[in-house]
Amino acid sequence: QKEVEQNSGPLSVPEGAIASLNCTYSDRVSQSFFWYRQYSGKSPELIMSIYSNGDKEDGRFTAQLNKASQYVSLLIRDSQPSDSATYLCAVIRVDSSYKLIFGSGTRLLVRP
Amino acid sequence: DVKVTQSSRYLVKRTGEKVFLECVQDMDHENMFWYRQDPGLGLRLIYFSYDVKMKEKGDIPEGYSVSREKKERFSLILESASTNQTSMYLCASSPVDRDDSPLHFGNGTRLTVT
Repeated sequence: QKEVEQNSGPLSVPEGAIASLNCTYSDRVSQSFFWYRQYSGKSPELIMSIYSNGDKEDGRFTAQLNKASQYVSLLIRDSQPSDSATYLCAVIRVDSSYKLIFGSGTRLLVRP
Repeated sequence: DVKVTQSSRYLVKRTGEKVFLECVQDMDHENMFWYRQDPGLGLRLIYFSYDVKMKEKGDIPEGYSVSREKKERFSLILESASTNQTSMYLCASSPVDRDDSPLHFGNGTRLTVT
């Protein structure tokens, strides 16, 4: 089992719809969770971090964390073609002070 | 703005060559990391460093070594390049251990070993 699992996609949504991206992790004691966005040919960039159960909103983005079920999700409201990218879920491995473990990413396509 | 600079964007090397990938950051970050990214496998941690002359193995250190002689520079060394090391290599940095400190990535080096 991978430490951080994501559906590779592609997830295709029409412009203006809500895109829902999901991620599960295996280490029950993980505390810190991140979503990175990576455009084709570019480096990943951080878009959201979440540490507590529940929702965290930032503009059109909402991160959701459920530690009991060991999943974290990212919702993108009013999706735009410019949101088309690969979204990487990342988790800090608890056995080190800062070792970020990434999922393989979900490719999102927003159709105009 | 934090800048992480990788010396080469594209690199082509022959099997058996010794390869150096250089990374420099300008924000006085303590932590530096080397990842490789392959389709379907995501980013995998090769080595990381929390301080000058300090290094720790990540998940896939075999065939690689690193050097951190100065705080701003973290080098990845392929002792004897092999075709299975063809990949995108990403360097990243962050300040001291803080859960809310994001990694700042360089632009990546696409290495092809023939």
